[in-house]
Amino acid sequence: SQQGEEDPQALSIQEGENATMNCSYKTSINNLQWYRQNSGRGLVHLILIRSNEREKHSGRLRVTLDTSKKSSSLLITASRAADTASYFCATANYGGATNKLIFGTGTLLAVQP
Amino acid sequence: GAGVSQSPSNKVTEKGKDVELRCDPISGHTALYWYRQSLGQGLEFLIYFQGNSAPDKSGLPSDRFSAERTGGSVSTLTIQRTQQEDSAVYLCASSFPGALETQYFGPGTRLLVL
Repeated sequence: SQQGEEDPQALSIQEGENATMNCSYKTSINNLQWYRQNSGRGLVHLILIRSNEREKHSGRLRVTLDTSKKSSSLLITASRAADTASYFCATANYGGATNKLIFGTGTLLAVQP
Repeated sequence: GAGVSQSPSNKVTEKGKDVELRCDPISGHTALYWYRQSLGQGLEFLIYFQGNSAPDKSGLPSDRFSAERTGGSVSTLTIQRTQQEDSAVYLCASSFPGALETQYFGPGTRLLVL
């Protein structure tokens, strides 16, 4: 079963615009991660934010985390056609023995040149 | 190797046949994970191996699914008596001890059960 939902399910923007994706989750977490997937194959790790952090930056990526609302957002600034992909949030809770990730439903981003 | 590798890339099989999917993790990564991505269920955790500890099999959907990891490296996911609902992309990931948070994913095996 999935941890939560992402919205929007699909997003189409023009090159140069910013893209914002949101993720909500259900249980307590140790960290939240964002992944990118091209063409339905392997996932590429983008950024990780820990539960005691509120914002993190990496290049054109900005991630926020609000643990009180159990939500996160991913902002991609100055988007490029190459950013076209599916984006997934994933949460980790190390309360048990497993470091498994629980994924959201994903946002399909299309950046038009 | 440079990354996680999986084989085969694509597999087409007939309902009722057994299939084996292989994962080669990044050298030195002691943790290995299998996930499944299907249209109806999204990305789901299947099984987790960490060193010599007993694997966490809590995500396996039925007893037709099993996995093993030999020598703490290569892993094989076996699906017996495949069903059409097993059609999905099977993804393997590994992580480095001390940095278990970041998982590195392979390209996946796309399984189609006819």
